Amino acid sequence: RKEVEQDPGPFNVPEGATVAFNCTYSNSASQSFFWYRQDCRKEPKLLMSVYSSGNEDGRFTAQLNRASQYISLLIRDSKLSDSATYLCVVTYGNKLVFGAGTILRVKS
Amino acid sequence: GAVVSQHPSWVICKSGTSVKIECRSLDFQATTMFWYRQFPKQSLMLMATSNEGSKATYEQGVEKDKFLINHASLTLSTLTVTSAHPEDSSFYICSARGLVGQETQYFGPGTRLLVL
Repeated sequence: RKEVEQDPGPFNVPEGATVAFNCTYSNSASQSFFWYRQDCRKEPKLLMSVYSSGNEDGRFTAQLNRASQYISLLIRDSKLSDSATYLCVVTYGNKLVFGAGTILRVKS
Repeated sequence: GAVVSQHPSWVICKSGTSVKIECRSLDFQATTMFWYRQFPKQSLMLMATSNEGSKATYEQGVEKDKFLINHASLTLSTLTVTSAHPEDSSFYICSARGLVGQETQYFGPGTRLLVL
């Protein structure tokens, strides 16, 4: 079983749509949780941290459920520029463990 | 935010050649640097963790004699792929972290290696 699992997609959505991604992790000792964004042939960039209380940054909302070992990302009012691969990331000690990513394609 | 550079961004080489990739933190001192590898449509996989002035810690399955890591200063780490073969073709990304206890890793732009 992979340490971090994501639906690879692709999710094809029209501009303005709301889209949600989910992620599960296997190690209950994971300490911190993040969503990263990776554009084609580029390095990953931190999108947002994820907290149990849920957190929101503009059109992006992230949620963590420690009991279910589940992380989510909600994107509202999708823009063309949101097209990318979204990586779910957890930490074990000082290491980041990446999921394989979910591809989002926003179309006009 | 903090800036990490990598050089070169692209390498094409013949099988059997050794390739050196540099990772630099430009505006902060990186006590720890991480080297990742990403194959197409796969996740980033941590190869090794290096702390300045000490030997790197390699992940299971990564050959330390093939992937030589040197972290000689607080702003520079190098990864040398020795005797590269086509199966080593991949996207190599470094990241750097500043103070101990800080979680944030700043990623370099990556180096694409193609071994013919």
